[in-house]
Amino acid sequence: SQQGEEDPQALSIQEGENATMNCSYKTSINNLQWYRQNSGRGLVHLILIRSNEREKHSGRLRVTLDTSKKSSSLLITASRAADTASYFCATDDKGAQKLVFGQGTRLTINP
Amino acid sequence: GAGVSQSPRYKVAKRGQDVALRCDPISGHVSLFWYQQALGQGPEFLTYFQNEAQLDKSGLPSDRFFAERPEGSVSTLKIQRTQQEDSAVYLCASSLPRAGAFFGQGTRLTVV
Repeated sequence: SQQGEEDPQALSIQEGENATMNCSYKTSINNLQWYRQNSGRGLVHLILIRSNEREKHSGRLRVTLDTSKKSSSLLITASRAADTASYFCATDDKGAQKLVFGQGTRLTINP
Repeated sequence: GAGVSQSPRYKVAKRGQDVALRCDPISGHVSLFWYQQALGQGPEFLTYFQNEAQLDKSGLPSDRFFAERPEGSVSTLKIQRTQQEDSAVYLCASSLPRAGAFFGQGTRLTVV
């Protein structure tokens, strides 16, 4: 079973706008990760944020983590058509090695 | 190779047939994972190896599913007597400890 829930399930915005996706989880974690998946392809690791971090940046990506609310957000700034993909958050499920994924947010960037 | 390689990319099996899916992880990656992804869903954990040891197989849906990694490198996921509900994309991932995972392109299994 999956513990993470992404919100919204689908998001459609214009190129150049910012996209924000949210993730909630249920258990204690050591870290939370975000992945991107293009249609019919494997997952690509985007960013990892540890439980003692509150915010992390990587290029146009900004991730926040609130362990008190068991939630995280992924912000993509200045979106591009190439950002069209599904985005998943994944947690390490009480420090275990396995990743537990959410259902994903399907992001569409309209040119 | 530069990334995680999975073969075959596509597999069509008749119901009741046995299949074997192969994963070549990134060289030196100790951890190897198998996930199952149904259409429109997130990946679901199947099993985890640390080197050749299968440390977690809690996600395997039935005893028809079996995975091995005998030399701590290449792994094979075997599904016996395939059923239609086994149709999914099977993803393999490898990683270093406490780091992000690198995923292969997956094997799309269709059971007819």
